Amino acid sequence: AQSVAQPEDQVNVAEGNPLTVKCTYSVSGNPYLFWYVQYPNRGLQFLLKYITGDNLVKGSYGFEAEFNKSQTSFHLKKPSALVSDSALYFCAVRVGILTGGGNKLTFGTGTQLKVEL
Amino acid sequence: DGGITQSPKYLFRKEGQNVTLSCEQNLNHDAMYWYRQDPGQGLRLIYYSQIVNDFQKGDIAEGYSVSREKKESFPLTVTSAQKNPTAFYLCASSISSGVSYEQYFGPGTRLTVT
Repeated sequence: AQSVAQPEDQVNVAEGNPLTVKCTYSVSGNPYLFWYVQYPNRGLQFLLKYITGDNLVKGSYGFEAEFNKSQTSFHLKKPSALVSDSALYFCAVRVGILTGGGNKLTFGTGTQLKVEL
Repeated sequence: DGGITQSPKYLFRKEGQNVTLSCEQNLNHDAMYWYRQDPGQGLRLIYYSQIVNDFQKGDIAEGYSVSREKKESFPLTVTSAQKNPTAFYLCASSISSGVSYEQYFGPGTRLTVT
């Protein structure tokens, strides 16, 4: 079955340290991968995507993600975490095409990132 | 949250009542989507629409209905047939039906049914 997994419910990191939020996927065909962030009681904000090309994708707010085909992973990274990065992070993968076109996405269960002083 | 608005932010209803959640976008996007979010779960697709006057069921459409009379608007009705309607509802849109296009989300409506 096509799916995406976020193996960690929560990640804790000290401000200024690098952070990694993990995502692995299982799809047939070429993967189309997305990262979103959600602040409390808010909608999801798009961070970055991998469609094709360079394995290292740069996105908003200093985040980047590394696509690794052999490990079927798309981990989200940031060199230096900020307290304001504390939020819920979702990985999503295209698992099909909707009637009329467009991505049918499957979302992971989310990883709560907590950045402490 | 860009140019997508959802209202109201919080909604309380009694069991057995239908309720309509509003979603409006000014991004000139063709495609619009409704998702449901429950604690500890990923988002689940309820309905989507790629063009005006056309919409399709997603994975959990039972107990919900939608309309798409205008490009900018995609309201969702949670009917009394929905067995567990209390959830956070998110509306999204994307530029078109192309596979490289990401979806943009509204701020959400938290529905509580008692």
